[in-house]
Amino acid sequence: SAVISQKPSRDICQRGTSLTIQCQVDSQVTMMFWYRQQPGQSLTLIATANQGSEATYESGFVIDKFPISRPNLTFSTLTVSNMSPEDSSIYLCSVEELMAQTDNEQFFGPGTRLTVL
Amino acid sequence: RKEVEQDPGPFNVPEGATVAFNCTYSNSASQSFFWYRQDCRKEPKLLMSVYSSGNEDGRFTAQLNRASQYISLLIRDSKLSDSATYLCVDAGGTSYGKLTFGQGTILTVHP
Repeated sequence: SAVISQKPSRDICQRGTSLTIQCQVDSQVTMMFWYRQQPGQSLTLIATANQGSEATYESGFVIDKFPISRPNLTFSTLTVSNMSPEDSSIYLCSVEELMAQTDNEQFFGPGTRLTVL
Repeated sequence: RKEVEQDPGPFNVPEGATVAFNCTYSNSASQSFFWYRQDCRKEPKLLMSVYSSGNEDGRFTAQLNRASQYISLLIRDSKLSDSATYLCVDAGGTSYGKLTFGQGTILTVHP
């Protein structure tokens, strides 16, 4: 399976600032996604990162708050803008591989643990 | 109603026990499902896919009941290393790729 890395692995930020999280994959992948996992909760899809076009956001998430880039088939960024303590969460990217054995099978990066003070 | 619902547990079982988790889903059009495993402070990792015919992988068996919109995971001969959170996932009715996660079931296997 693809090897996925995320930077930073963790950060502590002041409210009102923004943080950009990077997701790098070691092979080309068809789909890249960004999820959030709030403390004690399960994962929620934020958006699908589309290569060369605007991301597709899920209900409750907007581009102004979570701008996403995907310049190529191996890299994506998620920015958490104008942060508040409610944004404290783990942010994970996931990928669906070109030659996945099973449709919709996704592999996750190690996550970025964000704390907003 | 939540899209994917799981009993959060925790389930505390001794080594060697058999334990079963259940999960219900609300989208009747969904075609594929997964069980993921998440260790503390780690990312989710795919455990197994769930097919309508059932799926067995060693000590793990997953079943899908479409009529009742119900998925199960059975773990036989539990090991200490099975302690984790088990996430039931609805992968939807298309190849779009959106995964909908249940809240997870916590399993602790003790000596």
